[in-house]
Amino acid sequence: NAGVMQNPRHLVRRRGQEARLRCSPMKGHSHVYWYRQLPEEGLKFMVYLQKENIIDESGMPKERFSAEFPKEGPSILRIQQVVRGDSAAYFCASSPDRGREQFFGPGTRLTVL
Amino acid sequence: TQLLEQSPQFLSIQEGENLTVYCNSSSVFSSLQWYRQEPGEGPVLLVTVVTGGEVKKLKRLTFQFGDARKDSSLHITAAQPGDTGLYLCAGASQGGSEKLVFGKGTKLTVNP
Repeated sequence: NAGVMQNPRHLVRRRGQEARLRCSPMKGHSHVYWYRQLPEEGLKFMVYLQKENIIDESGMPKERFSAEFPKEGPSILRIQQVVRGDSAAYFCASSPDRGREQFFGPGTRLTVL
Repeated sequence: TQLLEQSPQFLSIQEGENLTVYCNSSSVFSSLQWYRQEPGEGPVLLVTVVTGGEVKKLKRLTFQFGDARKDSSLHITAAQPGDTGLYLCAGASQGGSEKLVFGKGTKLTVNP
């Protein structure tokens, strides 16, 4: 009965590199949400996806950030040309249906040098 | 913009004491979730409250949703060191938006 899985758990990138964060939802869950937690800040919503569709990306920065949830495979949060301000913990959550409870993964801690 | 204010931000108590954590907003939420987060881990769902005035109990934890669905509280009876952690409240908006709005959390330390 695996929960939400995220990898890598820790990721170190230099400024200008790309970061790819992966999220496998719980079995039977087709709705995925990404949140970002900055130091001393609460979790902030970034994007909500269903299989092959972005439903709500109102929390995504306009540039350098993108997300996908393909028909097969995990959801990917991609950050291009990372900057130090991107250093944060990125959490993925999944739910079985719209409006249902969200269950969180362990997070990916991104450090940009 | 919807905001959830949690208080207190930090709480340090002795084992056996009772405590209450508050989560307040000027906005109405369709539901409210309470999570607990350990350092280096993701939030773990404790409870969801949906109906105004609803009270739910989970062992020594009691959760209440305000009548107007704008606020909530978490009460812990006879706290234990194992209760130490970051407690987060998160509200789901009315009108179909699926995103959760989180408070900044209450960092609880229970000393033996």
